Amino acid sequence: QKEVEQNSGPLSVPEGAIASLNCTYSDRGSQSFFWYRQYSGKSPELIMSIYSNGDKEDGRFTAQLNKASQYVSLLIRDSQPSDSATYLCAVMGGAQKLVFGQGTRLTINP
Amino acid sequence: ETGVTQTPRHLVMGMTNKKSLKCEQHLGHNAMYWYKQSAKKPLELMFVYSLEERVENNSVPSRFSPECPNSSHLFLHLHTLQPEDSALYLCASSQLDAPISGYTFGSGTRLTVV
Repeated sequence: QKEVEQNSGPLSVPEGAIASLNCTYSDRGSQSFFWYRQYSGKSPELIMSIYSNGDKEDGRFTAQLNKASQYVSLLIRDSQPSDSATYLCAVMGGAQKLVFGQGTRLTINP
Repeated sequence: ETGVTQTPRHLVMGMTNKKSLKCEQHLGHNAMYWYKQSAKKPLELMFVYSLEERVENNSVPSRFSPECPNSSHLFLHLHTLQPEDSALYLCASSQLDAPISGYTFGSGTRLTVV
């Protein structure tokens, strides 16, 4: 079983709709959870972090964490073409190592 | 200069060459990392330096040799690489006592081995 699993996509969403990205992880001891955005040919950029169960909102982005289900998600409201990118889920365990999923490629269609 | 800078941005090298990748962080962080990103694979953690001491070496072949002379600089020395080593090599840094801040990545070095 992979440590961090994401659907690789591509996920296609119309402009203005809500994009929903999902991630599961295997290590129950994981403490912190992150979403990175990576544009083609660029490096990953941190957009959200979460460590408590529930929702965390930042502008159009909402991260959701459910530790019992070992599940973390990212919602993007009012999707824009500039949101088209690969979204990487990352999980940090007790050793403070960041482990990444393979990423979900998101395309927002105008 | 701000954030994490990596040089060179692109590198083409033959299998018998020796080259080095450089990373410098201007964030005052105390941990630095090398990751490898290949097509259709997750980011692979290669090396971790915590307080300038190597604490992780994820079974990386000896043709990759890291060096961390101080908390702001990290190098990856390359020699006798193979074509399958072609990838994007990313440097990152973090503050160990602020894990919720995550890692900050440099722009990466696109390496092609011919």
